[in-house]
Amino acid sequence: DTGVSQDPRHKITKRGQNVTFRCDPISEHNRLYWYRQTLGQGPEFLTYFQNEAQLEKSRLLSDRFSAERPKGSFSTLEIQRTEQGDSAMYLCASSFEGRADFGQGTRLTVV
Amino acid sequence: AQSVTQLDSHVSVSEGTPVLLRCNYSSSYSPSLFWYVQHPNKGLQLLLKYTSAATLVKGINGFEAEFKKSETSFHLTKPSAHMSDAAEYFCVVISYSSASKIIFGSGTRLSIRP
Repeated sequence: DTGVSQDPRHKITKRGQNVTFRCDPISEHNRLYWYRQTLGQGPEFLTYFQNEAQLEKSRLLSDRFSAERPKGSFSTLEIQRTEQGDSAMYLCASSFEGRADFGQGTRLTVV
Repeated sequence: AQSVTQLDSHVSVSEGTPVLLRCNYSSSYSPSLFWYVQHPNKGLQLLLKYTSAATLVKGINGFEAEFKKSETSFHLTKPSAHMSDAAEYFCVVISYSSASKIIFGSGTRLSIRP
């Protein structure tokens, strides 16, 4: 297994555009998480899935953000009408029974 | 419920001296504990993890951590600091339960003085 992979690694977009990120977890991991990390801060929890069910969403996840995990495997995180404040590193992680692994993240820059 | 507390937001040591980064956790179930390091503009890198095997865990780059259930601690140590160790360190907990999720500590910034 190659671990958790995220695509793209970097994304530069103009304000107001929509962006979508993808996360491929470790195949046997049933839980998948999204975090956001801004400069100088620790990762902030956004949402997580158990299989295809989205179990929890942070208040940080405004209605411009949507996450899906349609078949319980990969997940997508979409941000609509991006704002400069959305510029951050978006991290994906997966876990199963106490084992966890993180992706390298997608760095979003909104200009 | 589970939580993790990193007791120091910033630690500064001289090169060649020992490093101690403190982490306390709270968990209703048997936890798995991790230390991750993040260098500036880089992703999270796993240093070491405890998953209910040996309580003294050895990681990469000379780091190790000891799981102490009685103290609910998982402190990270290194005998001799190197300039390349300067980074942000995160203690992370996940419980062995169907209701658990990954919880991050707030991070400790380690600075190394020449």
